[in-house]
Amino acid sequence: AQTVTQSQPEMSVQEAETVTLSCTYDTSENNYYLFWYKQPPSRQMILVIRQEAYKQQNATENRFSVNFQKAAKSFSLKISDSQLGDTAMYFCAFMKSINKFYFGSGTKLNVKP
Amino acid sequence: GAVVSQHPSWVICKSGTSVKIECRSLDFQATTMFWYRQFPKQSLMLMATSNEGSKATYEQGVEKDKFLINHASLTLSTLTVTSAHPEDSSFYICSAQTSDSYNEQFFGPGTRLTVL
Repeated sequence: AQTVTQSQPEMSVQEAETVTLSCTYDTSENNYYLFWYKQPPSRQMILVIRQEAYKQQNATENRFSVNFQKAAKSFSLKISDSQLGDTAMYFCAFMKSINKFYFGSGTKLNVKP
Repeated sequence: GAVVSQHPSWVICKSGTSVKIECRSLDFQATTMFWYRQFPKQSLMLMATSNEGSKATYEQGVEKDKFLINHASLTLSTLTVTSAHPEDSSFYICSAQTSDSYNEQFFGPGTRLTVL
């Protein structure tokens, strides 16, 4: 079975600073995908960033980047220059070849002005 | 971009009644749709996977007779909560996937169900 663990239920960061959200996962698969989704108060799930397991290069999307450590089964999200609009729940998700998503328990991020 | 809608966004019903939730892909054809359930302050739990024209595949512990899923077309899937009870109150989210969406799922805005 696949499990996704987010060990930080809640985090706070000052506006313009950098914050890192942690995620670990457990799988016996070799080919899979990892995602970070953002869920603001509206509850709409928004894709933040995606990483293919076969790619060694860490994915980057503007202020968002990941640190993917395949051997350690770790997939952390770094948010640089935090903005008030980044305040949301962040979910780490794992997907294997059959396209089923497994979500972590989430980290509530609060960006303070 | 790929847009998924859900209707209704919020529904209140009496215990014992059935409620239907629609999930539509507005600008693409969804070969596969997924239904999730999210309790307050908790994560999304996959309930079932549905492919157009086939029976849905339910996750372990999800009652298929309780949560009826129909995926009759490439743009519409429905979830019917039959004989709803207060414990069925939750936030239900659907997502859709195309055959060429590079393993990405596009999520609907969710439906809040409250059973009195």
